[in-house]
Amino acid sequence: EIVLTQSPGTLSLSPGERVTLSCRASQSVSGRQLAWYQQKPGQAPRLLFHGASSRATGIPDRFSGSGSGTDFTLTISRLEPEDFAVYYCQQYSRSYTFGQGTRLEIK
Amino acid sequence: QVQLVQSGAEVKKPGASVKVSCKASGYTFANYYMHWVRQAPGEGLEWMGIINCGGGDTTYSQKFQDRVTMTRDTPTGTVYMELSSLRSEDTAVYYCAREVALGVGAVPYWGQGTLVTVSS
Repeated sequence: EIVLTQSPGTLSLSPGERVTLSCRASQSVSGRQLAWYQQKPGQAPRLLFHGASSRATGIPDRFSGSGSGTDFTLTISRLEPEDFAVYYCQQYSRSYTFGQGTRLEIK
Repeated sequence: QVQLVQSGAEVKKPGASVKVSCKASGYTFANYYMHWVRQAPGEGLEWMGIINCGGGDTTYSQKFQDRVTMTRDTPTGTVYMELSSLRSEDTAVYYCAREVALGVGAVPYWGQGTLVTVSS
């Protein structure tokens, strides 16, 4: 099983700041088969990216995804108030697994 | 538009089984795979398994292999997830979620979630 480790666990930032979230895999994720999700309290997750960097429908371009192999990142160039949420990565290269999540909170 | 509508909340006793339904609409049901993902209170997302809505074949997470059964009813466009031998740790919101494209395991479409509470 591919284990995904996200860091940091929690980030406290202010609107307007830039943030980079990390997702590290225990084995190489072939074909960049990695997705990112945003989840707000009481809601289902929202897909942000698949294929590591292919933006899902309706996702603002302040969000970007990158990486390959075992190291992937999600960057938000300028935080908006609605971006404070929990972010998960997911691999679908060998079966399916999620990272444990990174909580982005308002400072 | 793609819609996934799940059945309502359930309360079960330890040792019982629960069956959650997910009715799909807005697309050709048999052309996609459906995932089941759960989330315990205050915890992260946990992948449970996947069903091919066309052929009906399934793949389950090893963690749930002995207790979960996923089925589909093609005429009604409904998938089902049954979990047996429930314990308190199974208390969670259970989601069905459809893949973005056939064979691409990212899931943009989610049901509203079904809360299953296991309590004596």
